[in-house]
Amino acid sequence: AQSVTQLDSHVSVSEGTPVLLRCNYSSSYSPSLFWYVQHPNKGLQLLLKYTSAATLVKGINGFEAEFKKSETSFHLTKPSAHMSDAAEYFCVVADLTGGGNKLTFGTGTQLKVEL
Amino acid sequence: DGGITQSPKYLFRKEGQNVTLSCEQNLNHDAMYWYRQDPGQGLRLIYYSQIVNDFQKGDIAEGYSVSREKKESFPLTVTSAQKNPTAFYLCASSRRESTGELFFGEGSRLTVL
Repeated sequence: AQSVTQLDSHVSVSEGTPVLLRCNYSSSYSPSLFWYVQHPNKGLQLLLKYTSAATLVKGINGFEAEFKKSETSFHLTKPSAHMSDAAEYFCVVADLTGGGNKLTFGTGTQLKVEL
Repeated sequence: DGGITQSPKYLFRKEGQNVTLSCEQNLNHDAMYWYRQDPGQGLRLIYYSQIVNDFQKGDIAEGYSVSREKKESFPLTVTSAQKNPTAFYLCASSRRESTGELFFGEGSRLTVL
């Protein structure tokens, strides 16, 4: 069984300050982990993914995430927030065995960016 | 441009009526998926299909039905048996290989009056 827990349902930052969105995972095997972003009334877009290569993963729009096995965490960070980063972010764990894409989504973190 | 098109974007339905949501993709992807999104609950898988003429139930299939007669199309019918159908529905597709990368449409918002 696999699951993810997003520790904050809402995060608010000022433009130009760092962003930290927290995610912990549970998996009985080596996990594949992802962050997806959803802008209002839109579909989801892949931000970045970890699939057992480098533990620090870089994604689009300046975001990155670090896989920490000892802490079972996969937190998303960005050094400097921009107004366009305001969106909902989903941490996802995937079972990629058996030829399928079985994704388990977290409950989401709404990021608000203020001037 | 390649992508996934969902229609309609907004839909209102009276209780007791069936409604069908359309999903079309021109990405030449083998697999397609339907998710339901409710506030504060993330996305939950309704049905998925990895190949034409075959599909499997996801975690919350009760009250829903699908078909996959063409590679490009994966319509979802919300039946009157679905107890709480008001939600945002997202269609996605992916390549056959298991990469975890799904491509999403912009969603259909269904409201039952």
